[in-house]
Amino acid sequence: GDSVTQMEGPVTLSEEAFLTINCTYTATGYPSLFWYVQYPGEGLQLLLKATKADDKGSNKGFEATYRKETTSFHLEKGSVQVSDSAVYFCALIPNDYKLSFGAGTTVTVRA
Amino acid sequence: NAGVTQTPKFQVLKTGQSMTLQCAQDMNHNSMYWYRQDPGMGLRLIYYSASEGTTDKGEVPNGYNVSRLNKREFSLRLESAAPSQTSVYFCASHRFYKNTEAFFGQGTRLTVV
Repeated sequence: GDSVTQMEGPVTLSEEAFLTINCTYTATGYPSLFWYVQYPGEGLQLLLKATKADDKGSNKGFEATYRKETTSFHLEKGSVQVSDSAVYFCALIPNDYKLSFGAGTTVTVRA
Repeated sequence: NAGVTQTPKFQVLKTGQSMTLQCAQDMNHNSMYWYRQDPGMGLRLIYYSASEGTTDKGEVPNGYNVSRLNKREFSLRLESAAPSQTSVYFCASHRFYKNTEAFFGQGTRLTVV
């Protein structure tokens, strides 16, 4: 079935460091791809999305590019802040609309 | 615009008790979902409803039942709670187009003792 494999955490970084979280997917057809963020004690909220191959999603300094050839959607940020500490989830919506999520990556940014 | 509203936010149950988690959305979305979140396991789909009147099993449906009462509401019922059902439960809704995102409630933290 359709699935997402996400880099395991936790990840601990210093402020202004570069962040990358790997995400690969398995799906038939052409899924839409998403990154969600979950701050402590809250629900998930959309960070960015890409709906077709070669699309780049971006928001709050984060970017991810939909790579069909490598079935990947890696999340990157060039300079993280303490406020970026959260759990990040890669997700896809396949043809049957069953939203599927990765295991989540906990990111902690230290001042 | 409230989005997705879940009740209750916290609940403690004894083993064998039953309860219903409520979820309502005001965005006129067709699809609704129930997930559970456990440490190291990410989000696992329990049940989903592609449209009013339809429901389908997800990855971990055992021990749960659902009702899509109308387009707005999608409830999750635990008939006989077990400690293994201790988790954080999230409801989500979606407009049923692949290029649109799902919206999530704030979650229900359930502890079964």
